[in-house]
Amino acid sequence: EAGVAQSPRYKIIEKRQSVAFWCNPISGHATLYWYQQILGQGPKLLIQFQNNGVVDDSQLPKDRFSAERLKGVDSTLKIQPAKLEDSAVYLCASSPGGETQYFGPGTRLLVL
Amino acid sequence: QKEVEQNSGPLSVPEGAIASLNCTYSDRGSQSFFWYRQYSGKSPELIMFIYSNGDKEDGRFTAQLNKASQYVSLLIRDSQPSDSATYLCAVNPRGNYGQNFVFGPGTRLSVLP
Repeated sequence: EAGVAQSPRYKIIEKRQSVAFWCNPISGHATLYWYQQILGQGPKLLIQFQNNGVVDDSQLPKDRFSAERLKGVDSTLKIQPAKLEDSAVYLCASSPGGETQYFGPGTRLLVL
Repeated sequence: QKEVEQNSGPLSVPEGAIASLNCTYSDRGSQSFFWYRQYSGKSPELIMFIYSNGDKEDGRFTAQLNKASQYVSLLIRDSQPSDSATYLCAVNPRGNYGQNFVFGPGTRLSVLP
């Protein structure tokens, strides 16, 4: 069974630029999560989708971050404009239901 | 703000010893509790979860939960150098499909050969 796929794996941008990350969950997994993990910290949930609907986006900085999950499969997370403090690893995870989450390899973002 | 706290470490133990990792959480209504392992530069992977008070064993790992004390721990028996990683405690306060899933900052474990 293929795992959660994410791209790109690394991204370097300058502040005020925009960036987008892509996630393809494990086939059949209805729930998809985006997390932000700053160096030395645990992952922080940004947004959770159930199929193509948003379940929880209470910690998503909506003035600059947006996410969508069209057709209930792939998802994209966008930052526009990026700030220095957005430098982090962005993790996508999926779940078939229940609470077990499977994480992708992450996208490392560096904002200069 | 619901919080999960862990000692950042590093916790160093000799090979073959028992490593004890601790976690406390602030939301008394929390329903389920998870331990993830994260190797440097890698993504978290689930070790085990626990829902009920008491102990749960899986191979060399034992999770312990005390809801009255709002405390969950992970014991690793016969620690191996390959166990060297950061261990993340995660709590699902609502017990409902990951809503407000809260991770602690992690404890870095180093198992010395």
